[in-house]
Amino acid sequence: GENVEQHPSTLSVQEGDSAVIKCTYSDSASNYFPWYKQELGKRPQLIIDIRSNVGEKKDQRIAVTLNKTAKHFSLHITETQPEDSAVYFCAQGKVASNYQLIWGAGTKLIIKP
Amino acid sequence: NAGVTQTPKFQVLKTGQSMTLQCAQDMNHNSMYWYRQDPGMGLRLIYYSASEGTTDKGEVPNGYNVSRLNKREFSLRLESAAPSQTSVYFCASSPWTSPETQYFGPGTRLLVL
Repeated sequence: GENVEQHPSTLSVQEGDSAVIKCTYSDSASNYFPWYKQELGKRPQLIIDIRSNVGEKKDQRIAVTLNKTAKHFSLHITETQPEDSAVYFCAQGKVASNYQLIWGAGTKLIIKP
Repeated sequence: NAGVTQTPKFQVLKTGQSMTLQCAQDMNHNSMYWYRQDPGMGLRLIYYSASEGTTDKGEVPNGYNVSRLNKREFSLRLESAAPSQTSVYFCASSPWTSPETQYFGPGTRLLVL
C-alpha cells in the first residue's frame, strides 16, 4: 500500500548549521507534499509544501525539494536556531483521494547550542 | 477565530468504558479529520468527513465511530475503550478551496487503564 518513509528519525545539528530531512514515497500519483512542524506538546503546523509541478520551493530559511523520478522530497533548514528544535513530519497526498494525507513517522530535530 | 478546538484536553478511562471526543471548527471548513498519534508512528487517520453528512474510514477505524453533527462539529466515539487506544488524538479541518491544507486542534491525550 501507500507509505512514506522518513529519515533520519533523530537529527542533531549544531546551531547555525544546516539540517536536511528526507522522505521517500511509493505512490507515483501523489502530487502534494507538505511538511509539518510539531513542537513538544503542541499541535502539528504546516510550515511549507510543494506540488508535483515544481522542483523546489523556498521560504526564508526553509526549503523543500522534490525529485519525482526518484520519488523523494526533502526539507532543508539553513542557519538553524534553537526554536527549530521540534519533530518534523512529511506527508503526501493526491487529488484522487481528496488529499487524504499519508504521513511519515517523523524526525526529531535537536539544535545543539 | 478560535480555529479548531477539542475537548477534553486529557482523559483517563478504564478498559471497557465509553467516551466521546469533541471537535469543532469555526473556519467554515468542509472537511474534517480524526487522527491518532503514537510515539514513533506519526499520524494515522482514523476517520474523515469530506463534507457535512458524509464520513469515511481511514487507516485505523476499528474500535471507533464518528458523527459529523453539522458543518462545525465532528465527534469521535470509543464505545468500549481498550489499552491499545491510549494515544493522543488530533482533530483537523481543511477548506474546500485547498482541501490539502489541514489545520489541527490542540489534541486530546487519552489514557486507557
